Amino acid sequence: AQSVTQLGSHVSVSEGALVLLRCNYSSSVPPYLFWYVQYPNQGLQLLLKYTSAATLVKGINGFEAEFKKSETSFHLTKPSAHMSDAAEYFCAVSLTGTASKLTFGTGTRLQVTL
Amino acid sequence: DGGITQSPKYLFRKEGQNVTLSCEQNLNHDAMYWYRQDPGQGLRLIYYSQIVNDFQKGDIAEGYSVSREKKESFPLTVTSAQKNPTAFYLCASSFRQGPNTEAFFGQGTRLTVV
Repeated sequence: AQSVTQLGSHVSVSEGALVLLRCNYSSSVPPYLFWYVQYPNQGLQLLLKYTSAATLVKGINGFEAEFKKSETSFHLTKPSAHMSDAAEYFCAVSLTGTASKLTFGTGTRLQVTL
Repeated sequence: DGGITQSPKYLFRKEGQNVTLSCEQNLNHDAMYWYRQDPGQGLRLIYYSQIVNDFQKGDIAEGYSVSREKKESFPLTVTSAQKNPTAFYLCASSFRQGPNTEAFFGQGTRLTVV
């Protein structure tokens, strides 16, 4: 079975600072990995996905993530935080690429301060 | 515009009553899913359906029921057997196979038992 661990339920950064949200996964076979963003009282929006092509994946809103097999990690980064980035972020893993097998992390709430 | 529509956005239910949450998609997706979101627990899969007239239990199906009579629609009924139904419910859909099987989410329904 697969699992996801998101380190840090809350992360606070200053506007303009680097954003780093951590995600480690566990799976017995090569995984598909996803980052989703959720704004208050809304659904989840896909930021980016890794499906065994390039290990550095670029997504929407300036976010990117790097798949590191040796570290079983898929951390999400953004060079410069903006106030509009404040939201909750979920990492998810799927062994088959289908949403019925998606396993979500517990989420990281990102706060951006002036 | 293509997307997933959940209704209503907010729903209040008295204890002992069944209630049905609506989910409609016009993305021509084969598969549809229901997730439950509780604070600090990520998303948990309730039911999913890969094709019309077929569905499978997810990780927390007890106290819930679904139907899939049309490709576009996947309603979820929260029955009186569900012991703790207050939560945020998210519907999602995806293609069933191929390189783009990531889930697309609706805006959610917040159910409160009063």
